[in-house]
Amino acid sequence: DTGVSQNPRHKITKRGQNVTFRCDPISEHNRLYWYRQTLGQGPEFLTYFQNEAQLEKSRLLSDRFSAERPKGSFSTLEIQRTEQGDSAMYLCASSPSSSGNTIYFGEGSWLTVV
Amino acid sequence: KNEVEQSPQNLTAQEGEFITINCSYSVGISALHWLQQHPGGGIVSLFMLSSGKKKHGRLIATINIQEKHSSLHITASHPRDSAVYICAVSGGKKSSGDKLTFGTGTRLAVRP
Repeated sequence: DTGVSQNPRHKITKRGQNVTFRCDPISEHNRLYWYRQTLGQGPEFLTYFQNEAQLEKSRLLSDRFSAERPKGSFSTLEIQRTEQGDSAMYLCASSPSSSGNTIYFGEGSWLTVV
Repeated sequence: KNEVEQSPQNLTAQEGEFITINCSYSVGISALHWLQQHPGGGIVSLFMLSSGKKKHGRLIATINIQEKHSSLHITASHPRDSAVYICAVSGGKKSSGDKLTFGTGTRLAVRP
């Protein structure tokens, strides 16, 4: 088991372009979370999947953001028409289905919008 | 006021010192997590607590549910302990799974 994997690790994009990040959770984990972290701050919740169902979305997830987990395995987070304020690290995490479990994080995907 | 508050925000220690980082929270929780984040981003879970005390090597975590307070202690600190330590809580709504609400972190630097 290689843990939670995120790609790409770094992305520099021009304002207005679309970007997509991928997360491969630990294989038996059916809970998957996306968080965003800006410099000097703790991560902030974006969205949560149980299997393929997106059960919760933060108000931080504007219309330009969309997340999917089509087969209940990997997940993608797409940001359309990127803005400089989107520059952050996007973290993916996964955990097993029962509550009260250790949560495993990926290494994060750094986005810089220029 | 943030739901999870940590103190101090920054901490510098000499190698060998005993270190304490504090966390207070204002919401109902099912568990409190202590996490470690190194430069470059990766986050590692150190402890998950719902009551009492846990110990792993030189790290000790305690929680007082009544006072909504937790502490992370590092004994005999070492430069390799230098990192950001983040307190997070989970367990608001059942529909949120193990969604975490994070503190802003404590940046620890241990000098040789």
